[in-house]
Amino acid sequence: GAGVSQSPSNKVTEKGKDVELRCDPISGHTALYWYRQRLGQGLEFLIYFQGNSAPDKSGLPSDRFSAERTGESVSTLTIQRTQQEDSAVYLCASSLGSPTEAFFGQGTRLTVV
Amino acid sequence: KNEVEQSPQNLTAQEGEFITINCSYSVGISALHWLQQHPGGGIVSLFMLSSGKKKHGRLIATINIQEKHSSLHITASHPRDSAVYICAVRSVETSGSRLTFGEGTQLTVNP
Repeated sequence: GAGVSQSPSNKVTEKGKDVELRCDPISGHTALYWYRQRLGQGLEFLIYFQGNSAPDKSGLPSDRFSAERTGESVSTLTIQRTQQEDSAVYLCASSLGSPTEAFFGQGTRLTVV
Repeated sequence: KNEVEQSPQNLTAQEGEFITINCSYSVGISALHWLQQHPGGGIVSLFMLSSGKKKHGRLIATINIQEKHSSLHITASHPRDSAVYICAVRSVETSGSRLTFGEGTQLTVNP
């Protein structure tokens, strides 16, 4: 596709369940980022993938959060045993490298009830 | 103190007014981004700057590396410009692996 695609666009889940969020970056973009935006707050960095290098996971808030990316393709962000404080919009962005312009997906709005 | 500070937090303007949003940062950077977040949550990258000035349509972004300051200007503002404008920087300390974001400026342009 022409842009960064995220799915699902909305997800409502029960507390304690696992969720998986998907990001399909722009073709050829080697860098992929996950960010989180809680209601009324700014964007927080979660994780960064650059090519085949080890990802920068320093923004992941707990060990319930993990992310994978195979090569330069799709990435999945997994949240295990979801908590209400995980409710947020999860945004994915990709870029040709770093530092270059980042293109954002529309986000996945996660609501934990 | 946040690494990236934006002002004002909220801005209301009348259609046609010239608008300025400011961003100050406290770290060494490799690049600064201006982003626009629409009411539905989608984010669009407006500019990426490492020096000087860039212009796109009615939008102008400037950066002063020595003063660690950037401004986003909107000329002839229009109600469709209403959005949250976010400044974000790539710190040289993190080797460009992440963006650090300002809190955003909520802009409302009234007809």
